Amino acid sequence: DAKTTQPPSMDCAEGRAANLPCNHSTISGNEYVYWYRQIHSQGPQYIIHGLKNNETNEMASLIITEDRKSSTLILPHATLRDTAVYYCIVRPFSGTYKYIFGTGTRLKVLA
Amino acid sequence: NAGVMQNPRHLVRRRGQEARLRCSPMKGHSHVYWYRQLPEEGLKFMVYLQKENIIDESGMPKERFSAEFPKEGPSILRIQQVVRGDSAAYFCASSRDEGQPQHFGDGTRLSIL
Repeated sequence: DAKTTQPPSMDCAEGRAANLPCNHSTISGNEYVYWYRQIHSQGPQYIIHGLKNNETNEMASLIITEDRKSSTLILPHATLRDTAVYYCIVRPFSGTYKYIFGTGTRLKVLA
Repeated sequence: NAGVMQNPRHLVRRRGQEARLRCSPMKGHSHVYWYRQLPEEGLKFMVYLQKENIIDESGMPKERFSAEFPKEGPSILRIQQVVRGDSAAYFCASSRDEGQPQHFGDGTRLSIL
Protein backbone atom coordinates (compact mmCIF):
# COMPACT_ATOMS: atom_id res chain seq x y z
CA ASP A 1 0.00 0.00 0.00
CA ALA A 2 1.06 3.55 -0.70
CA LYS A 3 2.45 5.47 2.28
CA THR A 4 0.98 8.73 0.98
CA THR A 5 -2.45 10.36 1.03
CA GLN A 6 -3.53 12.95 -1.51
CA PRO A 7 -6.84 14.66 -2.29
CA PRO A 8 -8.48 12.95 -5.26
CA SER A 9 -8.99 16.12 -7.28
CA MET A 10 -8.29 19.86 -7.39
CA ASP A 11 -9.05 22.75 -9.71
CA CYS A 12 -6.77 25.71 -10.35
CA ALA A 13 -7.24 28.83 -12.46
CA GLU A 14 -4.78 29.30 -15.29
CA GLY A 15 -1.93 31.58 -14.31
CA ARG A 16 -2.41 31.03 -10.59
CA ALA A 17 -0.23 28.89 -8.36
CA ALA A 18 -1.31 25.28 -7.92
CA ASN A 19 -0.55 23.90 -4.46
CA LEU A 20 -0.85 20.12 -4.24
CA PRO A 21 -0.66 18.62 -0.75
CA CYS A 22 0.57 15.20 0.26
CA ASN A 23 0.44 13.51 3.64
CA HIS A 24 3.16 10.98 4.49
CA SER A 25 2.91 10.77 8.26
CA THR A 26 4.74 7.42 8.50
CA ILE A 27 7.76 8.50 6.46
CA SER A 28 11.09 7.09 7.65
CA GLY A 29 14.32 9.01 8.07
CA ASN A 30 15.92 7.55 4.93
CA GLU A 31 12.92 8.04 2.66
CA TYR A 32 12.76 10.68 -0.02
CA VAL A 33 9.59 12.34 -1.33
CA TYR A 34 9.20 12.14 -5.11
CA TRP A 35 6.62 13.85 -7.28
CA TYR A 36 5.54 12.67 -10.71
CA ARG A 37 2.69 13.60 -12.99
CA GLN A 38 0.87 11.65 -15.65
CA ILE A 39 -0.76 13.44 -18.52
CA HIS A 40 -3.45 11.41 -20.22
CA SER A 41 -2.11 8.39 -22.14
CA GLN A 42 1.53 9.27 -21.42
CA GLY A 43 4.05 7.80 -19.01
CA PRO A 44 4.67 9.40 -15.62
CA GLN A 45 6.93 12.43 -15.82
CA TYR A 46 9.45 13.13 -13.06
CA ILE A 47 8.97 16.55 -11.47
CA ILE A 48 11.08 16.88 -8.34
CA HIS A 49 12.24 15.07 -5.22
CA GLY A 50 13.60 15.97 -1.79
CA LEU A 51 14.60 14.64 1.61
CA LYS A 52 14.04 17.43 4.13
CA ASN A 53 15.07 20.72 2.57
CA ASN A 54 12.82 22.64 0.24
CA GLU A 55 13.70 22.12 -3.41
CA THR A 56 13.07 24.13 -6.57
CA ASN A 57 13.69 23.42 -10.23
CA GLU A 58 12.44 24.77 -13.52
CA MET A 59 9.14 22.91 -13.18
CA ALA A 60 8.09 23.29 -9.56
CA SER A 61 8.93 23.83 -5.92
CA LEU A 62 8.70 21.21 -3.18
CA ILE A 63 8.00 22.33 0.38
CA ILE A 64 8.52 19.67 3.07
CA THR A 65 7.37 20.37 6.62
CA GLU A 66 9.96 20.33 9.38
CA ASP A 67 8.59 17.07 10.81
CA ARG A 68 8.53 15.64 7.26
CA LYS A 69 5.01 14.29 7.73
CA SER A 70 3.65 16.26 4.80
CA SER A 71 4.73 18.15 1.72
CA THR A 72 3.33 20.49 -0.92
CA LEU A 73 4.15 20.62 -4.60
CA ILE A 74 3.84 24.13 -6.00
CA LEU A 75 3.39 24.90 -9.68
CA PRO A 76 3.95 28.68 -9.62
CA HIS A 77 1.98 29.66 -12.72
CA ALA A 78 -0.29 26.83 -13.80
CA THR A 79 -1.09 26.44 -17.50
CA LEU A 80 -3.64 24.26 -19.27
CA ARG A 81 -0.80 21.85 -20.06
CA ASP A 82 -0.37 21.19 -16.34
CA THR A 83 -3.69 19.35 -16.25
CA ALA A 84 -2.68 15.85 -15.14
CA VAL A 85 -2.73 13.33 -12.31
CA TYR A 86 -0.03 14.15 -9.78
CA TYR A 87 1.55 11.40 -7.70
CA CYS A 88 3.44 11.83 -4.45
CA ILE A 89 5.68 8.84 -3.62
CA VAL A 90 8.01 8.10 -0.72
CA ARG A 91 10.90 5.74 -1.23
CA PRO A 92 14.22 5.02 0.53
CA PHE A 93 17.34 6.25 -1.21
CA SER A 94 18.62 2.69 -1.41
CA GLY A 95 17.52 -0.85 -0.65
CA THR A 96 13.99 -0.64 -2.08
CA TYR A 97 13.86 0.15 -5.73
CA LYS A 98 10.23 0.20 -6.60
CA TYR A 99 7.84 3.11 -6.49
CA ILE A 100 4.50 2.48 -4.82
CA PHE A 101 1.96 4.69 -6.53
CA GLY A 102 -1.23 5.79 -4.81
CA THR A 103 -4.24 7.16 -6.64
CA GLY A 104 -2.81 10.68 -6.93
CA THR A 105 -4.50 14.05 -7.32
CA ARG A 106 -6.27 14.86 -10.55
CA LEU A 107 -5.45 18.53 -11.19
CA LYS A 108 -7.60 20.39 -13.65
CA VAL A 109 -6.34 23.81 -14.76
CA LEU A 110 -9.25 26.01 -15.82
CA ALA A 111 -9.05 28.70 -18.50
CA ASN B 1 18.84 12.91 -25.57
CA ALA B 2 16.39 10.15 -26.30
CA GLY B 3 14.14 9.17 -23.45
CA VAL B 4 12.97 5.69 -22.55
CA MET B 5 11.65 4.06 -25.71
CA GLN B 6 8.93 1.46 -25.61
CA ASN B 7 7.48 -0.46 -28.50
CA PRO B 8 5.03 -1.19 -29.72
CA ARG B 9 2.81 1.61 -28.39
CA HIS B 10 -0.27 -0.52 -28.97
CA LEU B 11 -0.46 -4.29 -29.13
CA VAL B 12 -3.52 -6.42 -29.81
CA ARG B 13 -3.47 -10.14 -29.08
CA ARG B 14 -6.05 -12.89 -28.98
CA ARG B 15 -6.46 -15.02 -25.89
CA GLY B 16 -3.77 -17.69 -25.72
CA GLN B 17 -1.20 -15.82 -27.81
CA GLU B 18 2.11 -14.41 -26.59
CA ALA B 19 2.85 -10.73 -26.06
CA ARG B 20 6.36 -9.28 -26.18
CA LEU B 21 6.92 -5.75 -24.95
CA ARG B 22 10.24 -4.00 -25.51
CA CYS B 23 11.97 -1.25 -23.58
CA SER B 24 15.17 0.60 -24.44
CA PRO B 25 16.41 2.57 -21.43
CA MET B 26 17.84 6.05 -21.59
CA LYS B 27 21.47 6.27 -22.62
CA GLY B 28 23.73 5.55 -19.69
CA HIS B 29 20.99 3.90 -17.65
CA SER B 30 21.53 0.30 -16.60
CA HIS B 31 18.55 -0.12 -14.27
CA VAL B 32 15.14 -1.01 -15.73
CA TYR B 33 11.76 -1.27 -14.02
CA TRP B 34 8.42 -2.51 -15.36
CA TYR B 35 5.04 -1.33 -14.07
CA ARG B 36 1.46 -2.18 -15.02
CA GLN B 37 -1.47 0.21 -14.94
CA LEU B 38 -5.10 -0.84 -15.09
CA PRO B 39 -7.69 1.76 -16.15
CA GLU B 40 -8.31 4.47 -13.55
CA GLU B 41 -5.64 3.04 -11.22
CA GLY B 42 -2.11 3.94 -10.25
CA LEU B 43 0.91 2.09 -11.56
CA LYS B 44 1.84 -1.22 -9.90
CA PHE B 45 5.46 -2.39 -9.76
CA MET B 46 6.23 -5.66 -11.51
CA VAL B 47 9.98 -6.23 -11.82
CA TYR B 48 13.37 -4.54 -11.49
CA LEU B 49 16.33 -5.62 -13.61
CA GLN B 50 19.93 -4.71 -14.14
CA LYS B 51 21.93 -5.96 -17.10
CA GLU B 52 21.50 -9.76 -17.24
CA ASN B 53 20.08 -9.89 -13.69
CA ILE B 54 16.62 -9.84 -12.15
CA ILE B 55 16.93 -7.95 -8.87
CA ASP B 56 13.33 -7.86 -7.66
CA GLU B 57 10.39 -9.64 -9.27
CA SER B 58 8.05 -9.42 -6.31
CA GLY B 59 5.30 -7.80 -8.41
CA MET B 60 5.35 -10.30 -11.24
CA PRO B 61 2.57 -12.88 -11.48
CA LYS B 62 4.03 -16.31 -10.77
CA GLU B 63 2.93 -17.81 -14.07
CA ARG B 64 3.01 -16.73 -17.71
CA PHE B 65 5.05 -13.54 -17.09
CA SER B 66 8.80 -13.22 -17.52
CA ALA B 67 11.30 -10.42 -18.01
CA GLU B 68 14.85 -10.12 -19.20
CA PHE B 69 17.43 -7.43 -19.78
CA PRO B 70 20.22 -8.97 -21.87
CA LYS B 71 23.75 -7.68 -22.17
CA GLU B 72 22.92 -6.32 -25.60
CA GLY B 73 19.53 -5.04 -26.68
CA PRO B 74 16.34 -3.90 -25.01
CA SER B 75 14.61 -5.25 -21.96
CA ILE B 76 11.72 -7.58 -22.83
CA LEU B 77 8.55 -8.26 -20.86
CA ARG B 78 6.98 -11.47 -22.11
CA ILE B 79 3.46 -12.62 -21.39
CA GLN B 80 2.58 -16.13 -22.50
CA GLN B 81 -0.95 -17.41 -23.14
CA VAL B 82 -2.51 -14.01 -22.60
CA VAL B 83 -5.93 -13.67 -20.97
CA ARG B 84 -8.42 -10.80 -20.96
CA GLY B 85 -7.20 -9.68 -17.52
CA ASP B 86 -3.76 -8.91 -18.97
CA SER B 87 -5.25 -5.93 -20.82
CA ALA B 88 -3.48 -2.91 -19.36
CA ALA B 89 -0.85 -0.25 -20.02
CA TYR B 90 2.66 -1.51 -19.33
CA PHE B 91 5.27 1.11 -18.51
CA CYS B 92 9.00 0.78 -18.43
CA ALA B 93 11.28 3.11 -16.48
CA SER B 94 15.04 3.42 -16.24
CA SER B 95 17.54 5.05 -13.94
CA ARG B 96 21.28 5.62 -13.88
CA ASP B 97 21.52 3.82 -10.57
CA GLU B 98 19.10 2.62 -7.95
CA GLY B 99 19.07 5.85 -5.96
CA GLN B 100 18.30 8.15 -8.87
CA PRO B 101 14.81 9.12 -10.07
CA GLN B 102 13.24 6.76 -12.54
CA HIS B 103 12.34 8.06 -16.00
CA PHE B 104 9.37 6.50 -17.73
CA GLY B 105 8.51 5.63 -21.29
CA ASP B 106 5.08 6.26 -22.79
CA GLY B 107 4.03 2.67 -22.34
CA THR B 108 2.59 -0.20 -24.36
CA ARG B 109 -1.16 -0.54 -24.33
CA LEU B 110 -2.01 -4.22 -24.52
CA SER B 111 -5.50 -5.23 -25.58
CA ILE B 112 -6.65 -8.84 -25.47
CA LEU B 113 -9.51 -9.88 -27.74
